[in-house]
Amino acid sequence: EDQVTQSPEALRLQEGESSSLNCSYTVSGLRGLFWYRQDPGKGPEFLFTLYSAGEEKEKERLKATLTKKESFLHITAPKPEDSATYLCAVPPYGNKLVFGAGTILRVKS
Amino acid sequence: DGGITQSPKYLFRKEGQNVTLSCEQNLNHDAMYWYRQDPGQGLRLIYYSQIVNDFQKGDIAEGYSVSREKKESFPLTVTSAQKNPTAFYLCASSMAGAFYGYTFGSGTRLTVV
Repeated sequence: EDQVTQSPEALRLQEGESSSLNCSYTVSGLRGLFWYRQDPGKGPEFLFTLYSAGEEKEKERLKATLTKKESFLHITAPKPEDSATYLCAVPPYGNKLVFGAGTILRVKS
Repeated sequence: DGGITQSPKYLFRKEGQNVTLSCEQNLNHDAMYWYRQDPGQGLRLIYYSQIVNDFQKGDIAEGYSVSREKKESFPLTVTSAQKNPTAFYLCASSMAGAFYGYTFGSGTRLTVV
Protein backbone atom coordinates (compact mmCIF):
# COMPACT_ATOMS: atom_id res chain seq x y z
CA GLU A 1 0.00 0.00 0.00
CA ASP A 2 1.30 3.45 -0.90
CA GLN A 3 2.01 5.45 2.23
CA VAL A 4 3.41 8.83 3.18
CA THR A 5 4.67 9.38 6.72
CA GLN A 6 5.72 12.73 8.11
CA SER A 7 7.76 13.37 11.24
CA PRO A 8 7.73 14.88 13.72
CA GLU A 9 3.99 15.44 14.18
CA ALA A 10 4.75 18.78 15.82
CA LEU A 11 7.86 20.91 16.16
CA ARG A 12 8.44 23.95 18.32
CA LEU A 13 11.42 26.16 17.50
CA GLN A 14 12.83 29.39 18.76
CA GLU A 15 13.24 32.11 16.19
CA GLY A 16 16.55 31.51 14.40
CA GLU A 17 16.78 27.84 15.44
CA SER A 18 17.23 25.81 12.23
CA SER A 19 15.73 22.33 11.86
CA SER A 20 14.36 19.79 9.37
CA LEU A 21 11.05 18.09 8.69
CA ASN A 22 10.94 14.58 7.27
CA CYS A 23 8.65 12.94 4.71
CA SER A 24 9.16 9.25 4.00
CA TYR A 25 7.20 7.35 1.38
CA THR A 26 6.61 3.85 0.12
CA VAL A 27 5.43 3.97 -3.48
CA SER A 28 6.27 1.83 -6.47
CA GLY A 29 7.88 4.21 -8.93
CA LEU A 30 8.17 7.76 -7.63
CA ARG A 31 6.74 10.29 -10.07
CA GLY A 32 7.31 13.35 -7.96
CA LEU A 33 6.98 14.68 -4.42
CA PHE A 34 5.17 17.83 -3.40
CA TRP A 35 5.48 20.10 -0.38
CA TYR A 36 2.64 22.38 0.70
CA ARG A 37 2.22 24.91 3.49
CA GLN A 38 -1.15 25.23 5.23
CA ASP A 39 -2.17 28.04 7.55
CA PRO A 40 -5.02 27.45 10.06
CA GLY A 41 -8.44 27.52 8.42
CA LYS A 42 -7.01 27.88 4.90
CA GLY A 43 -6.26 25.64 1.95
CA PRO A 44 -2.74 24.29 1.35
CA GLU A 45 -0.39 26.50 -0.63
CA PHE A 46 2.12 24.97 -3.03
CA LEU A 47 5.79 25.22 -2.09
CA PHE A 48 7.92 22.77 -4.10
CA THR A 49 7.88 19.86 -6.51
CA LEU A 50 10.81 17.42 -6.58
CA TYR A 51 11.01 14.83 -9.34
CA SER A 52 14.22 12.87 -8.91
CA ALA A 53 16.61 11.73 -6.17
CA GLY A 54 19.30 14.31 -5.51
CA GLU A 55 17.13 17.23 -6.56
CA GLU A 56 17.02 20.31 -4.29
CA LYS A 57 14.86 23.43 -4.38
CA GLU A 58 14.96 26.58 -2.28
CA LYS A 59 12.56 29.36 -1.41
CA GLU A 60 13.54 31.99 1.12
CA ARG A 61 14.34 30.12 4.36
CA LEU A 62 13.11 26.76 3.06
CA LYS A 63 15.05 24.10 1.17
CA ALA A 64 13.58 20.80 0.05
CA THR A 65 15.70 17.75 -0.79
CA LEU A 66 14.80 14.32 -2.13
CA THR A 67 16.33 10.85 -1.84
CA LYS A 68 14.96 7.54 -3.09
CA LYS A 69 13.06 6.96 0.14
CA GLU A 70 12.44 10.32 1.75
CA SER A 71 12.39 14.07 1.48
CA PHE A 72 13.51 16.73 3.93
CA LEU A 73 12.28 20.27 4.32
CA HIS A 74 15.08 22.26 5.91
CA ILE A 75 14.16 25.51 7.63
CA THR A 76 17.06 27.89 8.16
CA ALA A 77 16.80 30.63 10.80
CA PRO A 78 13.00 30.42 10.98
CA LYS A 79 10.78 33.37 11.83
CA PRO A 80 7.37 33.34 13.56
CA GLU A 81 5.67 33.81 10.17
CA ASP A 82 6.98 30.38 9.14
CA SER A 83 4.58 28.82 11.66
CA ALA A 84 2.16 26.58 9.75
CA THR A 85 1.41 22.96 8.97
CA TYR A 86 3.69 21.52 6.30
CA LEU A 87 2.28 18.73 4.14
CA CYS A 88 4.01 16.44 1.69
CA ALA A 89 2.32 14.35 -0.99
CA VAL A 90 3.14 11.89 -3.75
CA PRO A 91 1.22 10.73 -6.86
CA PRO A 92 1.62 6.93 -6.66
CA TYR A 93 -0.57 6.23 -9.69
CA GLY A 94 -3.24 7.75 -11.83
CA ASN A 95 -4.20 11.32 -11.19
CA LYS A 96 -4.34 11.44 -7.39
CA LEU A 97 -2.07 12.71 -4.64
CA VAL A 98 -1.59 10.81 -1.37
CA PHE A 99 -0.84 13.13 1.54
CA GLY A 100 1.01 12.69 4.79
CA ALA A 101 -0.63 13.82 8.04
CA GLY A 102 1.58 16.88 8.19
CA THR A 103 4.02 18.51 10.61
CA ILE A 104 2.75 21.40 12.72
CA LEU A 105 5.55 23.95 13.07
CA ARG A 106 5.48 26.68 15.72
CA VAL A 107 8.23 29.29 15.79
CA LYS A 108 8.40 31.48 18.88
CA SER A 109 10.05 34.88 18.99
CA ASP B 1 -6.85 36.23 -11.20
CA GLY B 2 -7.25 32.49 -11.73
CA GLY B 3 -8.06 30.29 -8.82
CA ILE B 4 -10.51 28.04 -7.03
CA THR B 5 -13.46 29.38 -5.08
CA GLN B 6 -15.16 27.35 -2.39
CA SER B 7 -18.38 28.42 -0.74
CA PRO B 8 -19.61 28.79 1.85
CA LYS B 9 -16.66 29.19 4.21
CA TYR B 10 -18.71 27.89 7.14
CA LEU B 11 -21.72 25.57 6.94
CA PHE B 12 -23.94 24.11 9.63
CA ARG B 13 -25.95 20.96 9.07
CA LYS B 14 -28.79 19.54 11.10
CA GLU B 15 -29.11 15.83 11.67
CA GLY B 16 -30.67 14.10 8.65
CA GLN B 17 -30.10 17.01 6.31
CA ASN B 18 -28.27 17.01 2.98
CA VAL B 19 -25.96 19.93 2.25
CA THR B 20 -24.03 20.93 -0.87
CA LEU B 21 -20.58 22.50 -0.94
CA SER B 22 -19.66 24.57 -3.95
CA CYS B 23 -16.34 24.48 -5.84
CA GLU B 24 -15.63 26.59 -8.93
CA GLN B 25 -12.32 27.02 -10.79
CA ASN B 26 -11.25 29.31 -13.61
CA LEU B 27 -7.83 27.75 -14.19
CA ASN B 28 -9.01 25.65 -17.15
CA HIS B 29 -7.90 22.55 -15.23
CA ASP B 30 -9.26 19.20 -16.37
CA ALA B 31 -9.16 17.38 -13.03
CA MET B 32 -10.93 18.30 -9.78
CA TYR B 33 -10.85 16.69 -6.36
CA TRP B 34 -12.56 16.74 -2.99
CA TYR B 35 -10.62 16.00 0.18
CA ARG B 36 -11.68 15.83 3.79
CA GLN B 37 -9.30 16.98 6.54
CA ASP B 38 -9.59 15.92 10.16
CA PRO B 39 -7.09 16.78 12.90
CA GLY B 40 -4.14 14.41 12.91
CA GLN B 41 -5.33 12.44 9.87
CA GLY B 42 -4.16 14.48 6.94
CA LEU B 43 -6.17 14.81 3.75
CA ARG B 44 -8.36 11.92 2.63
CA LEU B 45 -9.75 11.70 -0.89
CA ILE B 46 -13.54 11.64 -1.23
CA TYR B 47 -14.15 11.89 -5.00
CA TYR B 48 -12.27 13.04 -8.06
CA SER B 49 -13.09 13.83 -11.67
CA GLN B 50 -10.74 13.91 -14.63
CA ILE B 51 -13.24 14.99 -17.29
CA VAL B 52 -16.73 16.41 -17.51
CA ASN B 53 -19.55 13.94 -16.80
CA ASP B 54 -17.17 11.42 -15.24
CA PHE B 55 -15.99 10.95 -11.66
CA GLN B 56 -14.51 8.24 -9.46
CA LYS B 57 -14.79 7.33 -5.80
CA GLY B 58 -11.88 8.02 -3.54
CA ASP B 59 -10.99 6.33 -0.28
CA ILE B 60 -13.94 7.63 1.78
CA ALA B 61 -16.83 8.15 -0.69
CA GLU B 62 -19.59 6.64 1.44
CA GLY B 63 -22.19 9.24 2.40
CA TYR B 64 -21.07 11.72 -0.27
CA SER B 65 -22.10 12.43 -3.86
CA VAL B 66 -20.74 14.67 -6.63
CA SER B 67 -21.52 15.85 -10.14
CA ARG B 68 -19.36 17.28 -12.93
CA GLU B 69 -21.69 18.88 -15.47
CA LYS B 70 -19.28 21.70 -16.31
CA LYS B 71 -15.47 21.78 -16.46
CA GLU B 72 -15.41 24.69 -14.01
CA SER B 73 -17.67 23.22 -11.32
CA PHE B 74 -17.49 20.19 -9.02
CA PRO B 75 -20.07 20.42 -6.20
CA LEU B 76 -20.02 17.98 -3.29
CA THR B 77 -23.19 16.88 -1.49
CA VAL B 78 -22.86 15.57 2.05
CA THR B 79 -25.86 13.30 2.53
CA SER B 80 -27.61 12.18 5.70
CA ALA B 81 -25.89 8.80 5.25
CA GLN B 82 -22.56 10.39 6.28
CA LYS B 83 -22.62 9.78 10.02
CA ASN B 84 -19.67 11.96 10.99
CA PRO B 85 -19.60 14.89 8.57
CA THR B 86 -18.00 17.49 10.82
CA ALA B 87 -14.69 18.30 9.12
CA PHE B 88 -12.79 20.75 6.93
CA TYR B 89 -13.48 20.11 3.23
CA LEU B 90 -10.98 21.07 0.56
CA CYS B 91 -11.50 21.25 -3.19
CA ALA B 92 -8.53 21.12 -5.55
CA SER B 93 -7.83 21.10 -9.26
CA SER B 94 -4.94 20.15 -11.50
CA MET B 95 -3.94 19.85 -15.10
CA ALA B 96 -4.20 16.32 -16.44
CA GLY B 97 -1.74 14.26 -14.41
CA ALA B 98 -1.31 14.63 -10.65
CA PHE B 99 2.44 15.11 -11.11
CA TYR B 100 1.61 18.71 -11.97
CA GLY B 101 0.38 19.16 -8.41
CA TYR B 102 -2.83 20.65 -7.14
CA THR B 103 -4.21 24.13 -6.61
CA PHE B 104 -6.46 24.24 -3.56
CA GLY B 105 -9.45 26.30 -2.60
CA SER B 106 -9.74 27.99 0.78
CA GLY B 107 -11.94 25.26 2.27
CA THR B 108 -15.38 24.87 3.82
CA ARG B 109 -15.77 24.02 7.49
CA LEU B 110 -18.88 21.88 8.02
CA THR B 111 -20.32 21.44 11.48
CA VAL B 112 -23.25 19.26 12.54
CA VAL B 113 -25.58 21.00 14.99
